[in-house]
This record gives sequence, structure tokens and C-alpha cells, in this order.
Amino acid sequence: EIVLTQSPGTLSLSPGERATLSCRASQSVSSSYLAWYQQKPGQAPRLLIYGASSRATGIPDRFSGSGSGTDFTLTISRLEPEDFAVYYCQQYGSSPPMYSFGQGTKLEIK
Amino acid sequence: EVQLVESGGGLVQPGGSLRLSCAASGFTFSSYEMNWVRQAPGKGLEWVSYISSSGSTIYYADSVKGRFTISRDNAKNSLYLQMNSLRAEDTAVYYCARAPRGRLRYFDSWGQGTLVTVSS
Repeated sequence: EIVLTQSPGTLSLSPGERATLSCRASQSVSSSYLAWYQQKPGQAPRLLIYGASSRATGIPDRFSGSGSGTDFTLTISRLEPEDFAVYYCQQYGSSPPMYSFGQGTKLEIK
Repeated sequence: EVQLVESGGGLVQPGGSLRLSCAASGFTFSSYEMNWVRQAPGKGLEWVSYISSSGSTIYYADSVKGRFTISRDNAKNSLYLQMNSLRAEDTAVYYCARAPRGRLRYFDSWGQGTLVTVSS
């Protein structure tokens, strides 16, 4: 079973700054199987990035994903007030077939 | 517009049962794989179960295997989760989540969730 570890647990930044969120896998993950989600309080998660680097429909281009193997990154180039939320990475493993999520990174206003 | 609306949550005693439903609209339900994902209060996301577009392939997380059963009715555009032998640790908001068929694996639409509370 692949375990995803996200860091940092909490990231304190100001609007306009650049945010870099990390997701590290315990074993190599296919880039096709790596996604990122944003969740705000009281709301369902929203897909941001799939296939490690493809933006979902309607996601601003300040969001970008990169990485391969065991190390993946979500970057928000210039933080807007609405970007402060919790972010989760997610992977799919085929043996055994299952999905798993990282524990989340909380992005808070400094 | 894609809509996923969960229902069926509520308060249940330990050892009890509950059946969750997810009504889908705004897309061709039978063309998509579906999942249940849960989130315990103040905690992160946990994948629970997967069902293929036809219903022929099903997977479960180890934490619910043997207790939960996922199913779908493509004629009714509905997804279900039958939960038996419920435990306190099953307390969570349960989301249904759509997954496109194909090589990529992700959840592109989510419902708003239904809260299940297991307590005496």
C-alpha cells in the first residue's frame, strides 16, 4: 500500500506570495495517477490538478502541478485570498487496487 | 450542470445499518466510474469504495471490507452504499465522487456530502 506524506502540515503565507506544497509517496507513483484537490471549510473537495500536471476545467493558471516518481509538487504562483484552504494529494495504486490521500496541507493567511 | 446529491445519513447506534444514496444528474451516469469518500470530523479524506461504470468491478478500503456494499442503478442514475455493523470510527461525512473512465485516475465532481454519526 502506497502512503502519501504531505508537507508542510501548515503553511503561513501572505496574498501575492508563492506557495509550494509537497506530496511524497512511499513508493513510485505513476504520474497518471496523481491528483490534487482544494477543500474549503464546509465544502466538498474540488479537483485542481490531475495526471500530476494537468489543470482541471476552470482552474486558474496560477495553479500548477509537477513531479514524478515519489515526489510531486503543487505550486500556487501568486496567492489570492480565496486560495487559503486545505490541499490534498491523491494517488491510485493498482496492487491492491485502491485510492489514497495525503493527510493534507493547510494553507493559512499570515 | 453536473450534480451529485447524497442522502440517507443520520444517527445510528453501533452495530446498526444505514443505506446512503447518491442521485446523479447533468451527465451520462452510466459512462462514469463512481466512488465513496469519507471525512471524519476535523480529519482528512479517506477513500471508501469504487464501482465501475457497469457495476462489474468493485473495490473497498480494508477498513470497510466485509461491512459495506457499494452498488449502482444506471437506470435510476443512482449510487448506493449499504453500511452494516457500523462502528464509532465510521462517523464521517460521506461524499460520492465521480471518476472519468480511462487511464487517468481522479475524482472530477463531488457531492456535498451526508453526515453519518455512529453513537449510542
